[in-house]
Formats: sequence, C-alpha cells, structure tokens
Amino acid sequence: AQTVTQSQPEMSVQEAETVTLSCTYDTSESDYYLFWYKQPPSRQMILVIRQEAYKQQNATENRFSVNFQKAAKSFSLKISDSQLGDAAMYFCAYRSPRGGGSEKLVFGKGTKLTVNP
Amino acid sequence: DAGITQSPRHKVTETGTPVTLRCHQTENHRYMYWYRQDPGHGLRLIHYSYGVKDTDKGEVSDGYSVSRSKTEDFLLTLESATSSQTSVYFCAIRTGPMNTEAFFGQGTRLTVV
Repeated sequence: AQTVTQSQPEMSVQEAETVTLSCTYDTSESDYYLFWYKQPPSRQMILVIRQEAYKQQNATENRFSVNFQKAAKSFSLKISDSQLGDAAMYFCAYRSPRGGGSEKLVFGKGTKLTVNP
Repeated sequence: DAGITQSPRHKVTETGTPVTLRCHQTENHRYMYWYRQDPGHGLRLIHYSYGVKDTDKGEVSDGYSVSRSKTEDFLLTLESATSSQTSVYFCAIRTGPMNTEAFFGQGTRLTVV
C-alpha cells in the first residue's frame, strides 16, 4: 500500500521569504500523480499544485513550485515570497493512475505553516 | 468550478443516534468520495462511489454506510453515532483536466456527545 510521509508537523517563515515543505512517499508503481493541498482556517481544501510522475519537469504555479525527485520518492513544495495568506495546513497526496475509481487519494498527515509578519 | 455542497455544515448529536450527511454536486461527476479528517491523521477515505448504486469501502468504513440513488447525491450515514466518530467530514469529487484531482466540499463538523 502506498504511504505518504510529511516529516515536518510545523514550519514557520517570515513574510516575503521562501520556505520548503517536505514530502516523501512509498510506492512500487512507476506512474502516478502527486498533489499538494492547502487548508486555511476556513477548512476548505484547495488544490495548490499537481505533478504527473511521467513528467520530468517540475510543476510550477505562480509562487508555488515543486521539487520532484522520482528515484528518491520525494515531492517537496517550495513557496516563494511568502504571504500572510499562505498560512495554512498543507497536505501532500498521492494517487495511482489505475482506473475504476478505486484508486484513492492517500494523504500525508499535514504540515502547519505559519507566516510571520 | 465544480459545484459541491455539503449539509449540514455543523452538527452536534448524541451517542447512539443515527446521523446522515449529504453531499450534493451539480456537474454530473461519476466519482464521489467521503473522507474524515482528524488531527494527526490527515484525511482518510471512508467510502467512495463510482456511479449510481455503485459504492465501495475505504480504509475506515466501520460504522458507516453510504448510498447513491442519484448521480448528484452521495449520502453518508452513521447508523449509531459514537464519540470516536467526532470529526470533520469531507465530500469530494474526481475532476480536473485528467480526471485525477479531488475537489472538496467545505466539510461538515460533527460532534458526538
């Protein structure tokens, strides 16, 4: 079974600085999808960024980028120019590409990010 | 954006009572999921559906049942609520350009006293 590990329960960053959140996963599959979700205090789960394992290029969405190391099974999230609104819980998630709906999203336990003014 | 609504948003109930949470979507998505979120556990899958009347168990399905009689509605029922089922419950649909992403409802905070 796939597992997702976020080794940093909490992180903090100064406004305008850069922070990197770590995520590792365990799988025997060669093709899969990885995601980072953000959960602000409003409780809404918001997709931040996605990465297809078959793509070597790291995904980027504005100030958010990933460092995808397939061999190391590592998928870290870098937030540049941190803003107060980035403060939230961040969840790393894995999905297998198999069809049928049974391929669930497997989540890490989350990293709480605090942004200091 | 996919339209997905959970109801109720908050509920307090007594141990032993039945509780039903509703997830309603407006865009005819085939796959729907129920997760629970607890501190230190992230989100864990309870049940999912891959079509009308087609459902299956997730990793934490004990004490829960689901039904999907219409594409747009996915119901989660706690037959006899227990304190261990106090949690935040999220409904999700599968969507995105490659139908791989989960889009979540706003969650239901359930407290069992």
